[in-house]
Amino acid sequence: EVQLVESGGGLVQPGRSLKVSCAASGFTFSNYAMHWLRQVPTKGLEWVASISPSGGGTYYRDSVKGRFTISRHNAISTLYLQMDSLRSEDTATYYCATHSELGFDYWGQGVMVTGSS
Amino acid sequence: EIVLTQSPTTIGASPGEKVTITCRATSSVSYIYWYQQKPGASPKPWIYDTSKLASGVPNRFSGSGSGTSYSLTINTMETEDAATYYCQQWSSSPWTFGGGTKLELK
Repeated sequence: EVQLVESGGGLVQPGRSLKVSCAASGFTFSNYAMHWLRQVPTKGLEWVASISPSGGGTYYRDSVKGRFTISRHNAISTLYLQMDSLRSEDTATYYCATHSELGFDYWGQGVMVTGSS
Repeated sequence: EIVLTQSPTTIGASPGEKVTITCRATSSVSYIYWYQQKPGASPKPWIYDTSKLASGVPNRFSGSGSGTSYSLTINTMETEDAATYYCQQWSSSPWTFGGGTKLELK
């Protein structure tokens, strides 16, 4: 059974950093691209970043480019999102997800990140 | 960026009623994907490639459309269908979602 479990969320002052993780199991992690998405109650769902199976290719939405870094450690089946220079508008529930022909098919339970003083 | 606009934003339906949710794109997309989300849960893939039902999705659901206009239809509303539905496109980066349609039970 595919499982994605996020961790590391919390309350962070604007301008500070936070790193969230996603532990994957139930599939061969190193074979799959992985994604981070976020959900803000007033703004719906947003794709944030993606990474290729090897980690050699990374892709970001414009609003996080230069501030967020997606990475992965295939040996321990873990995905990361390093968030620097956090802004209040980054406040959201962050999900890691896989994709297939179904779209974003497996999602974690989400981790809350709050950028506030 | 392709913007997806869903309508209505909220809709109430009684059991047995037919429900249609639309998703309009600012540019043509090849396919639309639909997700169902219930309170406190993560989104689930629901309809893919515009009209194919994900595993376990009841066949009272259907999807259709092309170009910039797509829809999700429930032939006969059931209690368990109350949820928020989102459309999404993979045609052009950044991958974008519609704002969601909250389907309530009347």
